[in-house]
Amino acid sequence: DTGVSQDPRHKITKRGQNVTFRCDPISEHNRLYWYRQTLGQGPEFLTYFQNEAQLEKSRLLSDRFSAERPKGSFSTLEIQRTEQGDSAMYLCASSLVRDYYSGNTIYFGEGSWLTVV
Amino acid sequence: DQQVKQNSPSLSVQEGRISILNCDYTNSMFDYFLWYKKYPAEGPTFLISISSIKDKNEDGRFTVFLNKSAKHLSLHIVPSQPGDSAVYFCAAMIQGAQKLVFGQGTRLTINP
Repeated sequence: DTGVSQDPRHKITKRGQNVTFRCDPISEHNRLYWYRQTLGQGPEFLTYFQNEAQLEKSRLLSDRFSAERPKGSFSTLEIQRTEQGDSAMYLCASSLVRDYYSGNTIYFGEGSWLTVV
Repeated sequence: DQQVKQNSPSLSVQEGRISILNCDYTNSMFDYFLWYKKYPAEGPTFLISISSIKDKNEDGRFTVFLNKSAKHLSLHIVPSQPGDSAVYFCAAMIQGAQKLVFGQGTRLTINP
């Protein structure tokens, strides 16, 4: 396994359509994160999972957004009724957390570009 | 409220010279800091990190310095190479929470 894998890499969709992104983390990693990056800004935290449990969600994650990690392995991020403001790069990341001081290095995938037209 | 700031949007350095990228933070609870490098249309690549119990960490050409009293960290790259041209992000976290807060990034250009 060479890293965090995301699919698709690019998605163009019409406003109002639903889109789903998939993330496969590094195989032994128990934490999985979703971030969003818009042009000229740093990535912003959206949500994260410890195994299959979703432990935190940002205020950025509106009701139209839902993330799952059903078996503690891959994750999906779905955006319903897309809006033009959803256009961004959606980044998945993972880390291995054993205790309070471990798992601080978070590895990112290549990202999934979303363009809503 | 921008808790992590990179005040230089861009930096241009001659090949072979030292590149110094700066980052300031406001949240004194942050206790772990990371630098990422990002090429266009790709995800951030981890470079180097430092815990708040240290003031310096070195890895090859990359050194990160942390000044807790000033809430400031810097990344030194020496010697700079053309392949170092990219956007560099500073990120901070509270260990245990492990939610990264990123700066806006600095675009580094290495000139031949």
